[in-house]
Amino acid sequence: TQLLEQSPQFLSIQEGENLTVYCNSSSVFSSLQWYRQEPGEGPVLLVTVVTGGEVKKLKRLTFQFGDARKDSSLHITAAQPGDTGLYLCATRPSDTGKLIFGQGTTLQVKP
Amino acid sequence: EPEVTQTPSHQVTQMGQEVILRCVPISNHLYFYWYRQILGQKVEFLVSFYNNEISEKSEIFDDQFSVERPDGSNFTLKIRSTKLEDSAMYFCASSRRADPNQPQHFGDGTRLSIL
Repeated sequence: TQLLEQSPQFLSIQEGENLTVYCNSSSVFSSLQWYRQEPGEGPVLLVTVVTGGEVKKLKRLTFQFGDARKDSSLHITAAQPGDTGLYLCATRPSDTGKLIFGQGTTLQVKP
Repeated sequence: EPEVTQTPSHQVTQMGQEVILRCVPISNHLYFYWYRQILGQKVEFLVSFYNNEISEKSEIFDDQFSVERPDGSNFTLKIRSTKLEDSAMYFCASSRRADPNQPQHFGDGTRLSIL
């Protein structure tokens, strides 16, 4: 079973700072998804990356997929309190529908 | 935008009792999933369901668990005899297809508390 390791586990920063969170695996990802989960809600898909070296941007969020497709990063520029939440990476083995999640990075952005 | 809805939002049940968690997936979706998240732990896959049968299940999904799509809209998870360790958030999700690039849409979950 593929394991996803996310780091850091917790991150508390001031509004306006930049940050990067990471998702790593010992195995190659077929594809990787990043989700954001707020308290009392289900995960919400932010982006899917498929191709090694791929970079996708979503406003102030930049997602990168490693060349070898074994790691990914999420960079947030000028973080805002509304970015507070749990950031999860997940992958779907190519022949099944299930998602395998990392343990998440809890981000707190203080005003 | 269509969404997955789950009821109830919070269920409190005595240990040993049966519980049914309900989900209404997005109407044109064909693949349905249950996940759980024990407090402080990662989201874990329980089961996937397609064409009125289970397509995959995890080790967690033992004989105490069952799923059903009793009509064209609802998708239910039943736990026959609940245990304390079943306390968790249970999330339902649905997708149009099962390929890796298709997003799964999650409901807001049911918090199950076993006393």
